[in-house]
Amino acid sequence: GAVVSQHPSRVICKSGTSVKIECRSLDFQATTMFWYRQFPKQSLMLMATSNEGSKATYEQGVEKDKFLINHASLTLSTLTVTSAHPEDSSFYICSAKRQMNTEAFFGQGTRLTVV
Amino acid sequence: QQQVKQSPQSLIVQKGGISIINCAYENTAFDYFPWYQQFPGKGPALLIAIRPDVSEKKEGRFTISFNKSAKQFSLHIMDSQPGDSATYFCAASYGNTGGFKTIFGAGTRLFVKA
Repeated sequence: GAVVSQHPSRVICKSGTSVKIECRSLDFQATTMFWYRQFPKQSLMLMATSNEGSKATYEQGVEKDKFLINHASLTLSTLTVTSAHPEDSSFYICSAKRQMNTEAFFGQGTRLTVV
Repeated sequence: QQQVKQSPQSLIVQKGGISIINCAYENTAFDYFPWYQQFPGKGPALLIAIRPDVSEKKEGRFTISFNKSAKQFSLHIMDSQPGDSATYFCAASYGNTGGFKTIFGAGTRLFVKA
């Protein structure tokens, strides 16, 4: 159990377009979901935390108008990279946790390349 | 205070040997310490985790040693295998009125030589 599915696994988009990444908890209700960004050979950097039905909390330095997060249901959160530029190219990873449970489960990640 | 310091940055171990990765933290509010294994192009997968009321936890070939007073914890991989070659991240988590947060270490790239 505790499977988190992320889609797509890879996406290439043109500069200036928007890209949506989905994160789904397949077999549990995720009250909280997290979005991370990972550059090559580096650690995971938390971008934002989203709780179902409320606005996401963004980490310092993360542009909330550029990285739109929606957590409309207990099994789905989306990250939309708006007006993407080459510097947004990265590996984006989501994770999800149940309420009152410490363990977070990670999706398989999305490789975004902006050309 | 939010940092989790991880060492070494990279590690080469012979097959059958013991791999040891160390982490240290500052914030005493952390109450959950997981280790994640990540293969290239994949998301991290939980390997083993410990809470500060326990000094050691073992699951198969993987053992976490935890020193609360020193604010340090380490991962030991016994009988290391080539299939263990991956990047390992320690992390520290806490939950508070503002929510739940996990801070990751910088990662250790492990290579197990056949």
